[in-house]
Amino acid sequence: EDKVVQSPLSLVVHEGDTVTLNCSYEVTNFRSLLWYKQEKKAPTFLFMLTSSGIEKKSGRLSSILDKKELFSILNITATQTGDSAIYLCAVPYGGATNKLIFGTGTLLAVQP
Amino acid sequence: EPEVTQTPSHQVTQMGQEVILRCVPISNHLYFYWYRQILGQKVEFLVSFYNNEISEKSEIFDDQFSVERPDGSNFTLKIRSTKLEDSAMYFCASSEFFYSNQPQHFGDGTRLSIL
Repeated sequence: EDKVVQSPLSLVVHEGDTVTLNCSYEVTNFRSLLWYKQEKKAPTFLFMLTSSGIEKKSGRLSSILDKKELFSILNITATQTGDSAIYLCAVPYGGATNKLIFGTGTLLAVQP
Repeated sequence: EPEVTQTPSHQVTQMGQEVILRCVPISNHLYFYWYRQILGQKVEFLVSFYNNEISEKSEIFDDQFSVERPDGSNFTLKIRSTKLEDSAMYFCASSEFFYSNQPQHFGDGTRLSIL
């Protein structure tokens, strides 16, 4: 059965801390892994990873994929209160379309 | 930046009634999706749509549900004979191509409350 597992489920840090969010997956015909940030409404696209070992970076956020060990991490450095959100990991599964299977998400709370 | 828009943002309906959730995907996107998220649970795939027909649907997407692209811009999800367990956030998403190097972009969702 295809699945995506995220850890931790929740995390509370102080501004300036660095956090690492984890996502492991078991999906047949793996093609890519996506990270989204969900605040009050829409999941907002952060990264798409297709190749192992190549870091993707956007400002203080970065992510990397390990296709051998079937996981990805999302790092956020120098966290700010605006980083508080649910971070979702999703993987396309099945052969017919690009439908996504999501993890439960990691709820990140950044305290001042 | 172009975005997916959904209306209404919140819909309250009596059990047994029909609801139509509306979405306007990003204009040059060709693939459309509906997902739902029951409170406290994962986002779940419902249906994908391409070239005016359903490409794939999940077990959740039974005869109670239907999708339509009535014109060149709107993409709708109809739920007939709503049940209490249909209460959820419904997200529309679109992507430019099918290939997996094209991410899906999500709308803000419609919160559906069945009374």
